[in-house]
Amino acid sequence: SQKIEQNSEALNIQEGKTATLTCNYTNYSPAYLQWYRQDPGRGPVFLLLIRENEKEKRKERLKVTFDTTLKQSLFHITASQPADSATYLCAPSQGGATNKLIFGTGTLLAVQP
Amino acid sequence: EAGVAQSPRYKIIEKRQSVAFWCNPISGHATLYWYQQILGQGPKLLIQFQNNGVVDDSQLPKDRFSAERLKGVDSTLKIQPAKLEDSAVYLCASSFRRGPYEQYFGPGTRLTVT
Repeated sequence: SQKIEQNSEALNIQEGKTATLTCNYTNYSPAYLQWYRQDPGRGPVFLLLIRENEKEKRKERLKVTFDTTLKQSLFHITASQPADSATYLCAPSQGGATNKLIFGTGTLLAVQP
Repeated sequence: EAGVAQSPRYKIIEKRQSVAFWCNPISGHATLYWYQQILGQGPKLLIQFQNNGVVDDSQLPKDRFSAERLKGVDSTLKIQPAKLEDSAVYLCASSFRRGPYEQYFGPGTRLTVT
């Protein structure tokens, strides 16, 4: 069955360092992948989208990579700040008729000042 | 631009009771989604509408859950009768249309079934 896996344990890093979050998928061939941020008590907020023919996408301090051979996406936050503390969700989609997103369980990032 | 609106924000009911959630998507967004998010998990798609037609409801427990999107704008999601395992946050999202477009989420409704 399709499986989307993210780091199950919380990621604790120091302010100013680069946070790297991992998203692995099995039995799945995404046409694109989205990353969302979710704060407690709120709905997810879109951050970045990367397509299968793109290796890397950047937006300000955020960078996403997509390796279809390794079946993995990495999400990087450079110069992290305490305000970056949140849960980050990976959501690949196979496209097609529905473009349905399958969300991972998310990784909780805690940036210590 | 106004975001996705949902109500109520919180609801507590007893098992076997019924409950309804309401969603108003962003104006002009053709695609509307209802997700269920159980604590500690990612959102799971329950149903997807394109205008007022259903695109995907493969994970909707149709014996107890129903949803409609009349006139292709607002939507309601109903659970009848509720079970303990339905306790979750119900998120509504909308996007400009189907495809590789970002989804805009509402704040969600936290449902507790006792």
